[in-house]
Amino acid sequence: GAVVSQHPSRVICKSGTSVKIECRSLDFQATTMFWYRQFPKQSLMLMATSNEGSKATYEQGVEKDKFLINHASLTLSTLTVTSAHPEDSSFYICSARTGKVYGYTFGSGTRLTVV
Amino acid sequence: KQEVTQIPAALSVPEGENLVLNCSFTDSAIYNLQWFRQDPGKGLTSLLLIQSSQREQTSGRLNASLDKSSGRSTLYIAASQPGDSATYLCVTSYDKVIFGPGTSLSVIP
Repeated sequence: GAVVSQHPSRVICKSGTSVKIECRSLDFQATTMFWYRQFPKQSLMLMATSNEGSKATYEQGVEKDKFLINHASLTLSTLTVTSAHPEDSSFYICSARTGKVYGYTFGSGTRLTVV
Repeated sequence: KQEVTQIPAALSVPEGENLVLNCSFTDSAIYNLQWFRQDPGKGLTSLLLIQSSQREQTSGRLNASLDKSSGRSTLYIAASQPGDSATYLCVTSYDKVIFGPGTSLSVIP
C-alpha cells in the first residue's frame, strides 16, 4: 500500500533554532501534501496544504513565515519550523492523498520539543 | 464549513465487550470518511475507508457505517481486546481533511 515516510520521528532543539521535517511518498506521487499539528490532548489541526511546484496554502492563524513549507518534487514535502520556541513543541504529522479513491495516508509523525 | 464531532469523548469497557463509537459531520459533501486509530505519541493507522457511495465497510472485528444524509458514521468493535486501547479518529475528506476530536478507548483486561 501507499506509504509516507516522515523524519525525524523525534527532535529536541534549542529555542531560536530551526528544525526541518521531511515527508516522502515512497511508492506514489503526492501532488498534494497536508501538514497537521497536535497539541497534547487535542485533535489534529490542519496547518497548511502543500502543492507540488506552488506556494503552500496556510490555515488561518498559522504563520507562513514561521512554518516554511517546500514541495519541490512529487515525492517530497518539507516543513521547517524557524526560530522555534517552546510553544511550538507539538506533534507534527503529514499526509498525502493516495490515488483516485481519495483516501489519505499519514506519515508516522514528528514529536518536536523545544527547550 | 465542515465540523466533525465524536461521541463519547472517552470510553472504558471490560475486555470482550462489543462497542460503538459515533461520529457526526455537518456537511454531507464528502468524498469519503475514514476511521483511524492513534496510539499515544504515535502516528495514525487507517482502519476503514468508506466511499461516499458506500454504506459500510468491514475489516476483521471492525465495522464502519456511513449515512451521508444524516451526517453520521459509526465504528463498531466486536469482542474488544486490551490492544484496542487507543484514540479513534473520524475523518472526512473533500477538498480538505477534517478530523473529529477523537474517542479515547480503554479496554480493561
